[in-house]
Amino acid sequence: RKEVEQDPGPFNVPEGATVAFNCTYSNSASQSFFWYRQDCRKEPKLLMSVYSSGNEDGRFTAQLNRASQYISLLIRDSKLSDSATYLCVVNSPYGGSQGNLIFGKGTKLSVKP
Amino acid sequence: DGGITQSPKYLFRKEGQNVTLSCEQNLNHDAMYWYRQDPGQGLRLIYYSQIVNDFQKGDIAEGYSVSREKKESFPLTVTSAQKNPTAFYLCASSRPGRQGSYGYTFGSGTRLTVV
Repeated sequence: RKEVEQDPGPFNVPEGATVAFNCTYSNSASQSFFWYRQDCRKEPKLLMSVYSSGNEDGRFTAQLNRASQYISLLIRDSKLSDSATYLCVVNSPYGGSQGNLIFGKGTKLSVKP
Repeated sequence: DGGITQSPKYLFRKEGQNVTLSCEQNLNHDAMYWYRQDPGQGLRLIYYSQIVNDFQKGDIAEGYSVSREKKESFPLTVTSAQKNPTAFYLCASSRPGRQGSYGYTFGSGTRLTVV
């Protein structure tokens, strides 16, 4: 099982749609969870941390289910500017050859007019 | 403003040549990381350093070398032993804390092309 697994997409949605991304992780000892956004040919940028109780930032809602080792990101009222690749990121409690954070390969979102 | 600066933005390397990518941060972060990203692919860790004068190999360290003589700087050398170096290279840093608990801040990257 891959350590952090995401549906690669692409997700093609019209403006105004609601879209959900899912992610699973393999290490039950992981404690920190994030969603990053990466625009084409740019660096990843932190979108939001994910907390156990779930958290919201404007149109974005992140949820964590520790029992299922599952993380989600919901985007409501999609904008053209939301088009990007969304990376699910989980901390590695023991470090090692993957460092302190493990990055999923990302889910590509394309929002169309 | 604090941040991470990578230079150059674009770099062209001839076959058999060593090149060094620069990464400097003024965020006072202890840990620094180098990733490689190939088109349509995820991030792969090359090397990371938790403190000055110490670093660890990542998943794809072969053909690369690093140094960490100063807290602010973590240069990456792509040696001639790296047979397929064309890629997007990203440097990142993180503040001290429980491993990975604060996330990473990334530089804007260097695109390396072998000519």
